[in-house]
Amino acid sequence: AQSVTQLDSQVPVFEEAPVELRCNYSSSVSVYLFWYVQYPNQGLQLLLKYLSGSTLVKGINGFEAEFNKSQTSFHLRKPSVHISDTAEYFCAVSDQVTGGGNKLTFGTGTQLKVEL
Amino acid sequence: EAQVTQNPRYLITVTGKKLTVTCSQNMNHEYMSWYRQDPGLGLRQIYYSMNVEVTDKGDVPEGYKVSRKEKRNFPLILESPSPNQTSLYFCASSSSGTGDNEQYFGPGTRLTVT
Repeated sequence: AQSVTQLDSQVPVFEEAPVELRCNYSSSVSVYLFWYVQYPNQGLQLLLKYLSGSTLVKGINGFEAEFNKSQTSFHLRKPSVHISDTAEYFCAVSDQVTGGGNKLTFGTGTQLKVEL
Repeated sequence: EAQVTQNPRYLITVTGKKLTVTCSQNMNHEYMSWYRQDPGLGLRQIYYSMNVEVTDKGDVPEGYKVSRKEKRNFPLILESPSPNQTSLYFCASSSSGTGDNEQYFGPGTRLTVT
């Protein structure tokens, strides 16, 4: 079984400032890692994913995340946020076990609010 | 346009009145699933389907049914809705049932049971 912890339920930040959204996970098996974004009244959209290889992954809209296996973390960063980045962000994992299906285990979400 | 559609988007109903939320994808995806989203709990999987006629329970299946008679459709059925099923529901699909595949989400169905 897996679990995902997003420590910050809300993160306020001024426009053009950098931001980091934290995500930690626990799992008894190897996992794949994802960040999804949910804009108001919309479904979830994939920002980026880590499957293997380089631990720094880049996604859409200037976001990036770094996988740290020793700390079981997958923090999301953006060097300069825009007002349009205001949304809820979900970290999620799925396991690499064959036949385990494609179930995503989600964190509780972080609401990013960008202010002028 | 590749998409997952859900209907209805909003639904208010009363306890015990059977309802169905439809989900359809046009990407020929094998894997489909249903999640519910509740404040402070994130999204939790209700049921999933690896392919036609193959369905299985997720983490919170109680009170729900599903069927997969066609590849593109995966309806969620609440036979006797109760207030604790008031939630935001999302359907998702991916090309296969392995964990490395991106899931595509529908726009959501907000259900209120009174």
